[in-house]
Amino acid sequence: AQSVTQLGSHVSVSEGALVLLRCNYSSSVPPYLFWYVQYPNQGLQLLLKYTTGATLVKGINGFEAEFKKSETSFHLTKPSAHMSDAAEYFCAVSEYAGGTSYGKLTFGQGTILTVHP
Amino acid sequence: ETGVTQSPTHLIKTRGQQVTLRCSSQSGHNTVSWYQQALGQGPQFIFQYYREEENGRGNFPPRFSGLQFPNYSSELNVNALELDDSALYLCASSSGTSGRGAGELFFGEGSRLTVL
Repeated sequence: AQSVTQLGSHVSVSEGALVLLRCNYSSSVPPYLFWYVQYPNQGLQLLLKYTTGATLVKGINGFEAEFKKSETSFHLTKPSAHMSDAAEYFCAVSEYAGGTSYGKLTFGQGTILTVHP
Repeated sequence: ETGVTQSPTHLIKTRGQQVTLRCSSQSGHNTVSWYQQALGQGPQFIFQYYREEENGRGNFPPRFSGLQFPNYSSELNVNALELDDSALYLCASSSGTSGRGAGELFFGEGSRLTVL
């Protein structure tokens, strides 16, 4: 069974500082990995995803994440935080089992990012 | 391109009642998934529909059921509501194909259900 652990339910940074949100996963097959962002009272929006190929993936709003198989990690980073980055971030894993299994994601518990002026 | 829309946005029910939530998928998407997000938690997979058939189910009891229609819109039905069913219910659509779109879900803004 697949699972996702996000280290730190709350992360606080100053505007302009590095953002690092940690995600570790377990999966019995090569995973597809995702980061989603959720603003208050809204649904989830895809930030970036890793499926195959290059292990460093770039997403929207200046975020990027690196897939490290040996560490089973997929940490999310952004060099310089902006006030508009304040939101809740979810890491998710999907085990591609062929066919139409793509809708089944396992999410982590989420990390709330606070950005201070 | 129309995104995923859900209705109603908020509703209040009492224990034992039944509820139906609706979802219109994004144009061109034939797969719909439903998730339950309790307060302070990550979304939990309920089930997925592909071409009007249930195609995968999470750890939810049978009183959670669904439908997908020929136009790929979907309903989530919950019978015999319990207090713990209070949550944000998210619908997500996808193209259900391999390649660059694999696993990319497009979420609606959710239906917030409160059970009293």
